[in-house]
Amino acid sequence: QQPVQSPQAVILREGEDAVINCSSSKALYSVHWYRQKHGEAPVFLMILLKGGEQKGHEKISASFNEKKQQSSLYLTASQLSYSGTYFCGTEMDQAGTALIFGKGTTLSVSS
Amino acid sequence: EPEVTQTPSHQVTQMGQEVILRCVPISNHLYFYWYRQILGQKVEFLVSFYNNEISEKSEIFDDQFSVERPDGSNFTLKIRSTKLEDSAMYFCASSSTSYGYTFGSGTRLTVV
Repeated sequence: QQPVQSPQAVILREGEDAVINCSSSKALYSVHWYRQKHGEAPVFLMILLKGGEQKGHEKISASFNEKKQQSSLYLTASQLSYSGTYFCGTEMDQAGTALIFGKGTTLSVSS
Repeated sequence: EPEVTQTPSHQVTQMGQEVILRCVPISNHLYFYWYRQILGQKVEFLVSFYNNEISEKSEIFDDQFSVERPDGSNFTLKIRSTKLEDSAMYFCASSSTSYGYTFGSGTRLTVV
């Protein structure tokens, strides 16, 4: 079951904030966030596990609402390097099940 | 930092031919995956591999596809009788339990 991401696209100026959302209709074990720059592979940003544990990069924050099966990625004080497509990936049932990715949110940051 | 290595970076093949895409996952990772991404679209799951066997596969992963781990390091995706719609970027990824995936840089497959 593919997670739903919103918005589809965000345009920011440097220093502005953005929130990207990801929701699932099924119970999740974890939510992953990745960033992909044009022509490159997705790069892992963060994992949020059922039960509240988070692992990932220090400058990225995210939340996971287990009751609503929703996750949000918070990008604060955006920099030019934040530009790219952000994908959430959801892992159901247990560790080791394959991630299913949303359609992505394209973030463009300009100076 | 450990990397997932994929070869070749670009493969052009004629429709109907077989191709083998190769991946060297991170050595202490236990789970291996193949995904594909048609230009500008989402990353689609194909198959996952654990303990030397397929653990999950998607509807896309039909009899045209197969995976192998021929030795302790390589992980291959074989596509038989390629079709035009198989043209995509194919990513290999590996992970350990409860942490993020490390993706390789991908193989761009072009079927002509």
